[in-house]
Amino acid sequence: AQKVTQAQTEISVVEKEDVTLDCVYETRDTTYYLFWYKQPPSGELVFLIRRNSFDEQNEISGRYSWNFQKSTSSFNFTITASQVVDSAVYFCALTLLDSNYQLIWGAGTKLIIKP
Amino acid sequence: NAGVTQTPKFQVLKTGQSMTLQCAQDMNHEYMSWYRQDPGMGLRLIHYSVGAGITDQGEVPNGYNVSRSTTEDFPLRLLSAAPSQTSVYFCASSTGAHTGELFFGEGSRLTVL
Repeated sequence: AQKVTQAQTEISVVEKEDVTLDCVYETRDTTYYLFWYKQPPSGELVFLIRRNSFDEQNEISGRYSWNFQKSTSSFNFTITASQVVDSAVYFCALTLLDSNYQLIWGAGTKLIIKP
Repeated sequence: NAGVTQTPKFQVLKTGQSMTLQCAQDMNHEYMSWYRQDPGMGLRLIHYSVGAGITDQGEVPNGYNVSRSTTEDFPLRLLSAAPSQTSVYFCASSTGAHTGELFFGEGSRLTVL
Protein backbone atom coordinates (compact mmCIF):
# COMPACT_ATOMS: atom_id res chain seq x y z
CA ALA A 1 0.00 0.00 0.00
CA GLN A 2 1.07 3.55 -0.62
CA LYS A 3 1.35 6.15 2.10
CA VAL A 4 2.60 9.70 2.62
CA THR A 5 3.61 10.86 6.08
CA GLN A 6 4.10 14.46 7.09
CA ALA A 7 5.03 14.01 10.70
CA GLN A 8 5.19 17.73 11.49
CA THR A 9 1.65 18.86 12.16
CA GLU A 10 2.62 22.47 12.81
CA ILE A 11 5.86 24.43 12.65
CA SER A 12 6.35 27.95 13.92
CA VAL A 13 9.44 30.00 13.14
CA VAL A 14 10.44 33.63 13.18
CA GLU A 15 10.74 35.45 9.88
CA LYS A 16 14.06 35.02 8.09
CA GLU A 17 14.74 31.65 9.65
CA ASP A 18 15.21 28.63 7.40
CA VAL A 19 12.66 25.85 7.79
CA THR A 20 12.40 22.30 6.44
CA LEU A 21 9.16 20.44 5.97
CA ASP A 22 9.50 16.69 5.98
CA CYS A 23 7.75 14.24 3.68
CA VAL A 24 8.26 10.49 3.85
CA TYR A 25 6.51 8.21 1.39
CA GLU A 26 5.95 4.48 1.04
CA THR A 27 5.55 2.58 -2.19
CA ARG A 28 6.88 -0.58 -3.78
CA ASP A 29 6.45 0.76 -7.28
CA THR A 30 9.49 1.97 -9.16
CA THR A 31 7.68 4.62 -11.19
CA TYR A 32 5.95 7.30 -9.20
CA TYR A 33 5.53 11.04 -8.91
CA LEU A 34 5.85 13.27 -5.88
CA PHE A 35 4.29 16.68 -5.44
CA TRP A 36 4.19 19.61 -3.07
CA TYR A 37 1.20 21.91 -2.87
CA LYS A 38 0.68 25.07 -0.85
CA GLN A 39 -2.61 26.11 0.77
CA PRO A 40 -2.43 29.69 2.05
CA PRO A 41 -5.00 31.03 4.55
CA SER A 42 -7.23 32.08 1.66
CA GLY A 43 -7.86 28.38 1.04
CA GLU A 44 -6.88 27.70 -2.55
CA LEU A 45 -4.38 24.96 -3.37
CA VAL A 46 -1.36 25.91 -5.42
CA PHE A 47 1.05 23.56 -7.15
CA LEU A 48 4.70 24.00 -6.19
CA ILE A 49 6.66 21.13 -7.71
CA ARG A 50 6.46 17.68 -9.28
CA ARG A 51 9.27 15.16 -9.28
CA ASN A 52 9.30 11.71 -10.88
CA SER A 53 11.06 8.75 -9.34
CA PHE A 54 13.80 8.68 -11.95
CA ASP A 55 14.92 12.22 -11.32
CA GLU A 56 16.75 12.53 -8.02
CA GLN A 57 18.23 15.91 -8.74
CA ASN A 58 17.48 18.44 -6.10
CA GLU A 59 15.66 21.53 -7.23
CA ILE A 60 15.92 25.14 -6.22
CA SER A 61 13.42 27.84 -7.06
CA GLY A 62 14.24 31.13 -5.42
CA ARG A 63 13.98 30.63 -1.67
CA TYR A 64 12.43 27.19 -2.11
CA SER A 65 14.40 23.98 -2.48
CA TRP A 66 13.49 20.33 -2.54
CA ASN A 67 15.63 17.36 -1.51
CA PHE A 68 14.55 14.05 -3.02
CA GLN A 69 16.27 10.98 -1.56
CA LYS A 70 15.06 7.58 -2.73
CA SER A 71 17.34 5.84 -0.23
CA THR A 72 15.30 7.26 2.63
CA SER A 73 12.01 7.64 0.71
CA SER A 74 11.92 11.30 1.50
CA PHE A 75 11.05 14.43 -0.43
CA ASN A 76 11.73 17.31 1.91
CA PHE A 77 10.99 20.96 1.28
CA THR A 78 13.13 23.79 2.59
CA ILE A 79 12.28 27.47 2.69
CA THR A 80 15.30 29.71 3.10
CA ALA A 81 14.93 33.11 4.75
CA SER A 82 11.26 32.55 5.45
CA GLN A 83 8.74 35.34 5.04
CA VAL A 84 5.31 35.94 6.56
CA VAL A 85 3.76 35.24 3.14
CA ASP A 86 5.09 31.69 3.38
CA SER A 87 2.59 30.99 6.15
CA ALA A 88 0.35 28.23 4.81
CA VAL A 89 -0.44 24.56 5.01
CA TYR A 90 1.88 22.53 2.81
CA PHE A 91 0.91 19.17 1.41
CA CYS A 92 3.07 16.42 0.02
CA ALA A 93 1.43 13.93 -2.35
CA LEU A 94 2.33 10.74 -4.18
CA THR A 95 0.92 9.07 -7.27
CA LEU A 96 1.91 5.98 -9.17
CA LEU A 97 2.02 5.68 -12.90
CA ASP A 98 -0.43 2.79 -12.63
CA SER A 99 -2.54 4.04 -9.73
CA ASN A 100 -6.04 4.25 -11.11
CA TYR A 101 -5.61 8.02 -11.08
CA GLN A 102 -5.31 8.21 -7.33
CA LEU A 103 -3.15 10.73 -5.52
CA ILE A 104 -2.20 9.88 -1.97
CA TRP A 105 -1.91 12.99 0.17
CA GLY A 106 -0.10 13.63 3.40
CA ALA A 107 -2.06 15.26 6.20
CA GLY A 108 -0.25 18.54 5.68
CA THR A 109 2.09 20.70 7.73
CA LYS A 110 0.89 24.05 8.95
CA LEU A 111 3.72 26.56 8.74
CA ILE A 112 3.47 29.74 10.77
CA ILE A 113 5.99 32.48 10.10
CA LYS A 114 6.03 35.10 12.84
CA PRO A 115 7.16 38.64 12.02
CA ASN B 1 -8.10 33.65 -16.94
CA ALA B 2 -10.89 31.89 -15.05
CA GLY B 3 -9.13 28.51 -14.61
CA VAL B 4 -11.31 26.26 -12.44
CA THR B 5 -14.52 27.79 -11.15
CA GLN B 6 -16.54 26.26 -8.34
CA THR B 7 -19.95 27.28 -7.08
CA PRO B 8 -21.29 27.83 -4.52
CA LYS B 9 -18.49 28.83 -2.17
CA PHE B 10 -20.61 28.21 0.91
CA GLN B 11 -23.70 26.08 1.46
CA VAL B 12 -25.69 24.91 4.46
CA LEU B 13 -27.93 21.89 4.06
CA LYS B 14 -30.24 19.93 6.27
CA THR B 15 -29.80 16.19 6.58
CA GLY B 16 -31.49 14.44 3.68
CA GLN B 17 -31.40 17.36 1.28
CA SER B 18 -29.70 17.04 -2.08
CA MET B 19 -27.58 19.55 -3.91
CA THR B 20 -25.10 19.94 -6.73
CA LEU B 21 -21.66 21.53 -6.54
CA GLN B 22 -20.76 22.99 -9.88
CA CYS B 23 -17.28 22.89 -11.40
CA ALA B 24 -16.19 24.34 -14.71
CA GLN B 25 -12.75 24.74 -16.29
CA ASP B 26 -11.75 26.67 -19.36
CA MET B 27 -8.34 25.11 -19.96
CA ASN B 28 -9.56 22.21 -22.11
CA HIS B 29 -8.25 19.71 -19.57
CA GLU B 30 -9.36 16.13 -20.04
CA TYR B 31 -8.80 15.11 -16.42
CA MET B 32 -11.06 16.48 -13.71
CA SER B 33 -11.57 15.38 -10.14
CA TRP B 34 -13.37 16.12 -6.89
CA TYR B 35 -11.70 16.03 -3.49
CA ARG B 36 -12.90 16.58 0.00
CA GLN B 37 -10.69 18.09 2.66
CA ASP B 38 -11.21 17.32 6.31
CA PRO B 39 -9.06 18.55 9.21
CA GLY B 40 -5.94 16.47 9.75
CA MET B 41 -6.69 14.12 6.85
CA GLY B 42 -5.31 15.80 3.79
CA LEU B 43 -7.35 15.49 0.62
CA ARG B 44 -9.36 12.46 -0.38
CA LEU B 45 -10.48 11.70 -3.92
CA ILE B 46 -14.23 11.32 -4.37
CA HIS B 47 -14.66 10.87 -8.13
CA TYR B 48 -12.65 11.61 -11.21
CA SER B 49 -13.05 11.79 -14.96
CA VAL B 50 -10.53 11.28 -17.73
CA GLY B 51 -12.73 12.80 -20.42
CA ALA B 52 -16.28 13.60 -21.45
CA GLY B 53 -18.55 10.63 -20.84
CA ILE B 54 -16.05 8.83 -18.60
CA THR B 55 -16.17 8.89 -14.80
CA ASP B 56 -14.88 6.63 -12.07
CA GLN B 57 -14.83 6.33 -8.31
CA GLY B 58 -12.06 7.50 -6.08
CA GLU B 59 -11.33 6.70 -2.48
CA VAL B 60 -14.57 7.97 -0.89
CA PRO B 61 -17.38 7.87 -3.49
CA ASN B 62 -20.33 6.83 -1.32
CA GLY B 63 -23.10 9.41 -1.17
CA TYR B 64 -21.85 11.30 -4.22
CA ASN B 65 -22.62 11.16 -7.89
CA VAL B 66 -20.90 12.77 -10.88
CA SER B 67 -21.36 13.13 -14.61
CA ARG B 68 -19.20 14.55 -17.39
CA SER B 69 -21.29 15.52 -20.38
CA THR B 70 -18.79 18.11 -21.63
CA THR B 71 -15.05 18.64 -21.29
CA GLU B 72 -15.65 21.84 -19.33
CA ASP B 73 -18.12 20.76 -16.65
CA PHE B 74 -17.91 18.22 -13.86
CA PRO B 75 -20.72 18.62 -11.30
CA LEU B 76 -20.77 16.76 -8.00
CA ARG B 77 -24.14 15.71 -6.63
CA LEU B 78 -24.91 14.94 -3.02
CA LEU B 79 -27.82 12.57 -3.16
CA SER B 80 -29.03 12.75 0.46
CA ALA B 81 -26.80 14.91 2.59
CA ALA B 82 -25.47 13.59 5.89
CA PRO B 83 -23.54 15.39 8.65
CA SER B 84 -20.50 13.25 7.73
CA GLN B 85 -20.41 15.11 4.42
CA THR B 86 -19.65 18.39 6.15
CA SER B 87 -16.35 19.29 4.54
CA VAL B 88 -14.55 21.55 2.13
CA TYR B 89 -14.80 20.32 -1.44
CA PHE B 90 -12.28 21.04 -4.15
CA CYS B 91 -12.59 20.51 -7.86
CA ALA B 92 -9.35 20.10 -9.81
CA SER B 93 -8.31 19.63 -13.40
CA SER B 94 -5.11 18.60 -15.10
CA THR B 95 -3.69 18.30 -18.54
CA GLY B 96 -1.56 15.37 -17.48
CA ALA B 97 -4.10 13.19 -15.67
CA HIS B 98 -3.03 12.16 -12.19
CA THR B 99 0.64 12.64 -12.93
CA GLY B 100 0.35 16.25 -13.89
CA GLU B 101 -0.01 19.53 -12.11
CA LEU B 102 -3.48 19.91 -10.64
CA PHE B 103 -5.29 23.21 -10.98
CA PHE B 104 -7.75 23.68 -8.15
CA GLY B 105 -10.90 25.68 -7.73
CA GLU B 106 -11.28 27.92 -4.69
CA GLY B 107 -13.21 25.34 -2.75
CA SER B 108 -16.79 24.97 -1.53
CA ARG B 109 -17.48 24.83 2.19
CA LEU B 110 -20.47 22.61 2.88
CA THR B 111 -22.17 22.25 6.26
CA VAL B 112 -24.81 19.60 6.80
CA LEU B 113 -26.96 20.08 9.90
